[in-house]
Amino acid sequence: DIQMTQSPSSVSASVGDRVTITCRASQGISSWLAWYQQKPGKAPKLLISGASSLQSGVPSRFSGSGSGTDFTLTISSLQPEDFATYYCQQANSFPLTFGGGTKVDIK
Amino acid sequence: EVQLLESGGGLVQPGGSLRLSCAASGFTFTNFAMSWVRQAPGKGLEWVSTISTAGDYTFSADSVRGRLTISRDNSKNTLYLQMDSLRAEDTAVYYCTKHEGGKYYGCWGQGTLVTVSS
Repeated sequence: DIQMTQSPSSVSASVGDRVTITCRASQGISSWLAWYQQKPGKAPKLLISGASSLQSGVPSRFSGSGSGTDFTLTISSLQPEDFATYYCQQANSFPLTFGGGTKVDIK
Repeated sequence: EVQLLESGGGLVQPGGSLRLSCAASGFTFTNFAMSWVRQAPGKGLEWVSTISTAGDYTFSADSVRGRLTISRDNSKNTLYLQMDSLRAEDTAVYYCTKHEGGKYYGCWGQGTLVTVSS
């Protein structure tokens, strides 16, 4: 099974800050990686697929990069609505696996 | 508008059974693979099972194989999860998801809570 390791597990930031979350796969997954945002009590929302392809309607302050085993999600200028938990997910092979999540909260 | 509406969750005793349903609308159901993903209280996301467009292929996590069975009825635009021999560790919110661009979860339902407890 492919293990996905996210870091940090939590980050405190202020509005306007640049935030970077990393995700590492235990083996190469090419660009088969997604990022999801989940707000409390809500279902997750797909932000990025294919490591760097922004979903329709997702603000351009979100960006993804990486391939192989190392990936990053960057929020260029944190907005109040971005405080949430973010998960990476590998889509290379079954079993599909998620990272443990990164909670972004208000400093 | 794509909608996924789960139902069937509730409280069940260990060893009991439950069947979850997910009514899909707003897209051509037969064209998309579907999955169940769960989230235990206060925990992260865990993939449970995936089913192909025609229902002829299924994949399940080791933790649920043989107990939780995914199926679909394309004539009713409905996804199912038959849950047998339930354990306390199956307690979670179960989300119905529609695949996009491969094995990505493009759309999610609102979730249904399953609680396994005596």
